[in-house]
Amino acid sequence: IAGITQAPTSQILAAGRRMTLRCTQDMRHNAMYWYRQDLGLGLRLIHYSNTAGTTGKGEVPDGYSVSRANTDDFPLTLASAVPSQTSVYFCASSELVGSTGELFFGEGSRLTVL
Amino acid sequence: GQNIDQPTEMTATEGAIVQINCTYQTSGFNGLFWYQQHAGEAPTFLSYNVLDGLEEKGRFSSFLSRSKGYSYLLLKELQMKDSASYLCAVKDSNYQLIWGAGTKLIIKP
Repeated sequence: IAGITQAPTSQILAAGRRMTLRCTQDMRHNAMYWYRQDLGLGLRLIHYSNTAGTTGKGEVPDGYSVSRANTDDFPLTLASAVPSQTSVYFCASSELVGSTGELFFGEGSRLTVL
Repeated sequence: GQNIDQPTEMTATEGAIVQINCTYQTSGFNGLFWYQQHAGEAPTFLSYNVLDGLEEKGRFSSFLSRSKGYSYLLLKELQMKDSASYLCAVKDSNYQLIWGAGTKLIIKP
């Protein structure tokens, strides 16, 4: 089934540890995004990539990094996790040209930093 | 600043009609989206409005008034499976999505 795959689905992490959340899409979409979702807040954009080889900062980029080596993969790395990074992380993709730009989301990665 | 407002929670009865409102203040406008999100799941696309008026899609309709910075999502013939959060999002002048915090809809038998 075409779509977006995220891994891991859930993780408990000690503060200070490094963590990479993986995201792979098979829809050949140009754009990919990482959001975090916290209770009572809207989805907040962490980083995005409009095409392979380019990335940009979103609303809350501090403490996170991304790379886009190819069209399909867009990993998110927490270099040194802190408790405030406890959240649900969603990867998404969209087609930038010739469509409404609707987002297709992965199932999410629930991260707890202790 | 940019802002999307929607009610935090609404309750409705199975079989009835409910209207979820969304007001926005953004730097520019390039379309408004509604997404549905069941608890513990990913958001899924419901509708997109870029011109004023009503877009109907089965039991769901979405309305937009750009001059008022206002949209609503109308759900008819409510079913228990419609219990979910409904997210309003606006694409601003930079084509970035600004998200509301979502409206949790509770359907009672």
